[in-house]
Amino acid sequence: GAVVSQHPSRVICKSGTSVKIECRSLDFQATTMFWYRQFPKKSLMLMATSNEGSKATYEQGVEKDKFLINHASLTLSTLTVTSAHPEDSSFYICSARVEVGGYEQYFGPGTRLTVT
Amino acid sequence: AQSVSQHNHHVILSEAASLELGCNYSYGGTVNLFWYVQYPGQHLQLLLKYFSGDPLVKGIKGFEAEFIKSKFSFNLRKPSVQWSDTAEYFCAVSKAAGNKLTFGGGTRVLVKP
Repeated sequence: GAVVSQHPSRVICKSGTSVKIECRSLDFQATTMFWYRQFPKKSLMLMATSNEGSKATYEQGVEKDKFLINHASLTLSTLTVTSAHPEDSSFYICSARVEVGGYEQYFGPGTRLTVT
Repeated sequence: AQSVSQHNHHVILSEAASLELGCNYSYGGTVNLFWYVQYPGQHLQLLLKYFSGDPLVKGIKGFEAEFIKSKFSFNLRKPSVQWSDTAEYFCAVSKAAGNKLTFGGGTRVLVKP
């Protein structure tokens, strides 16, 4: 089946620094990818829809200047958390949508971000 | 805005017991419905999906779900669980194929050997 990877799997950074998380579709092309945030013991919250070659669409309440999304190719989307704060610590998950059939989303393994 | 409710936050059962997880959604229009599973330490995987047609959907690993439009429900079932079914289960809804997903809160299932 379709495989989505994320890098890094874990990252620790200091407050005020920026962190970039990569999401790659390994064996298929994805015009559309999604970024989610998962809080401990809670469900996934959609942050934004990443569209190849155009601007991302952010969900209400998500700061687009803080969470920069770049979808530069059909297999790669990046999420950059700028000027990170401890409250940004979370589990970030991406998904990539196949463009045929049922347009299913395949999920990456997630990235654990800890801001100290 | 659409919302998805999963009534059980935690379920504990023994092997061979039957499992049913509830899922209700709020959107009144045409929806696509999904159940995802997240095994410990692994990423989300699709168990099954409903787009149209037969409201009883069969998925992988012996799971099935029934779409009842009048009840806005899409409950997940498995007649006989195994220890390996220990995982977190998420119901999700989208308004159209490929559209963004709204997830329920998840249900943690623990199957005791």
